[in-house]
Amino acid sequence: SQQGEEDPQALSIQEGENATMNCSYKTSINNLQWYRQNSGRGLVHLILIRSNEREKHSGRLRVTLDTSKKSSSLLITASRAADTASYFCATALSGGGGNKLTFGTGTQLKVEL
Amino acid sequence: DTGVSQNPRHKITKRGQNVTFRCDPISEHNRLYWYRQTLGQGPEFLTYFQNEAQLEKSRLLSDRFSAERPKGSFSTLEIQRTEQGDSAMYLCASSQPGTGGSYEQYFGPGTRLTVT
Repeated sequence: SQQGEEDPQALSIQEGENATMNCSYKTSINNLQWYRQNSGRGLVHLILIRSNEREKHSGRLRVTLDTSKKSSSLLITASRAADTASYFCATALSGGGGNKLTFGTGTQLKVEL
Repeated sequence: DTGVSQNPRHKITKRGQNVTFRCDPISEHNRLYWYRQTLGQGPEFLTYFQNEAQLEKSRLLSDRFSAERPKGSFSTLEIQRTEQGDSAMYLCASSQPGTGGSYEQYFGPGTRLTVT
């Protein structure tokens, strides 16, 4: 079963604009990770944020985590056509569990020229 | 580091046949995970290994599914008596312990199974 949901389910923007995706989850976590998946391919790890962190940056990516609201957001700045993909958040539960990931339903991002 | 590899990339089989997939993780990673992804959904956890030990199996993993990691390196996932509902992308990932017990998982390209 899915841990939570991404919002929006689909997002279409123009190149150069910023894209924001939100993720909600249900249980206490050890960390939250964001992945990108191009059509029909494997997942590429983008960024990991631990439960005691509130914000993290990597290049054009900015991730925030609010454990009190059980939510996270992924911001992609100055988007490019190559950013077109599905984006998934995934949570690793606290208290062990081998760090298996529980994925959300994904946001499909389309960046148009 | 050549990344996680999976073979075959595509498999078409008839209902009732057995299939086996292979995953080769990143060499120094001691953890290996299998996930299944159906169209329009996020991946769902199936099972994971630490070295050669299978430590957890999801309830999604019926008794028709078996996974092994005999020497703590590559892993195989076998599905016996395939059903049309088994059609999905099967993803393998590997990881090693990170700071504070947080693990980044690195995914292979997946094996797409179609059961006709």
